[in-house]
Amino acid sequence: DAKTTQPNSMESNEEEPVHLPCNHSTISGTDYIHWYRQLPSQGPEYVIHGLTSNVNNRMASLAIAEDRKSSTLILHRATLRDAAVYYCILRDATSYGKLTFGQGTILTVHP
Amino acid sequence: DTEVTQTPKHLVMGMTNKKSLKCEQHMGHRAMYWYKQKAKKPPELMFVYSYEKLSINESVPSRFSPECPNSSLLNLHLHALQPEDSALYLCASSLGVTFNYGYTFGSGTRLTVV
Repeated sequence: DAKTTQPNSMESNEEEPVHLPCNHSTISGTDYIHWYRQLPSQGPEYVIHGLTSNVNNRMASLAIAEDRKSSTLILHRATLRDAAVYYCILRDATSYGKLTFGQGTILTVHP
Repeated sequence: DTEVTQTPKHLVMGMTNKKSLKCEQHMGHRAMYWYKQKAKKPPELMFVYSYEKLSINESVPSRFSPECPNSSLLNLHLHALQPEDSALYLCASSLGVTFNYGYTFGSGTRLTVV
């Protein structure tokens, strides 16, 4: 799988937007960009995924750069419950069941 | 039902014990997974089952023995573990093993080997 690079940690204030970046300069044309998060004492949770176009769901938005070498997960209004480790993961057809986690970004949300 | 249920939530076992971890889902998912997570580290894949058949073993020691009795149930049998095997064991499932499906994870079993 192609490698992703994320900041080790980020901080935000409650009710403000949060932009979590992910660099994936070696992404291939068939790689999907997946985001998961892991809240304290819980298993990881699927957030969103996309290929080329920006994607929105009830949890977040995914903005993908035009050259696809980077992406940003956007939480529109952070809450204390959004404090978690956020993982950006690339997957393609050769992944065959392998969801490989990197170190992720620890997001701290201040009240 | 949109959950993956893991039991027990906590387990303490001696190095000579035999125990099993259980994972269950009723979402019709045909792929199921075991992950291991050490403290402050990301989850690491151990096994992948697709349609009840083992398709990936990430060179896991034989003291960990997975079993998939049916499409809803996944077990991890433990025998002669070492203290360094203490970790959070996570089960996950997905519709299939292709790259476009999201995974649903359970909350894990926290295992302590003494």
